[in-house]
Amino acid sequence: KNQVEQSPQSLIILEGKNCTLQCNYTVSPFSNLRWYKQDTGRGPVSLTIMTFSENTKSNGRYTATLDADTKQSSLHITASQLSDSASYICVVSYGGGNAGNMLTFGGGTRLMVKP
Amino acid sequence: NAGVTQNPKFQVLKTGQSMTLQCAQDMNHNSMYWYRQDPGMGLRLIYYSASEGTTDKGEVPNGYNVSRLNKREFSLRLESAAPSQTSVYFCAITGWGYGYTFGSGTRLTVV
Repeated sequence: KNQVEQSPQSLIILEGKNCTLQCNYTVSPFSNLRWYKQDTGRGPVSLTIMTFSENTKSNGRYTATLDADTKQSSLHITASQLSDSASYICVVSYGGGNAGNMLTFGGGTRLMVKP
Repeated sequence: NAGVTQNPKFQVLKTGQSMTLQCAQDMNHNSMYWYRQDPGMGLRLIYYSASEGTTDKGEVPNGYNVSRLNKREFSLRLESAAPSQTSVYFCAITGWGYGYTFGSGTRLTVV
């Protein structure tokens, strides 16, 4: 069964600190991996997307890594800001480009940044 | 969440009542999806429509029906709501070469 597991479930850090969120997956055939940010009461918004051949991708203070051999990904947030408080969801796409084989979602990591 | 509009944003139903969740997009994408999000669980696919005129079941379709009214609109219907359907519902769209865009969600409570 395709699964995406994230850790930790929740995390509290002080403003300005760095943090790393983890994602392990058992999805086949792998197509790509995405990280989404979901603010409270809002829909998920894409941060990064990585294909099989990409090891790292950055989007501002967000840097995602992918190890396709161990089926692990991480999202590193640098110099956290209060606005980073949100849920971060790891999403793995499987199958081809057909809309019928799409996404497996992790349960998310809820991050709280405190002043 | 520009491009995907969901209505209503909040709804409370009594067990057995019916309702339709509306989703409309202005990005001219072919594929539309309905997901539900429950605490501690990832989003789960209810139904999807790969293109206008087609719909298919996802992971958790029981208790729901959908209609792809046209390319812009994809509705989700609960014929007889149950407390287990209390959830946040998200509509999403995607097109070839594009990522997924999500609506802002509909928070449904069934009492």
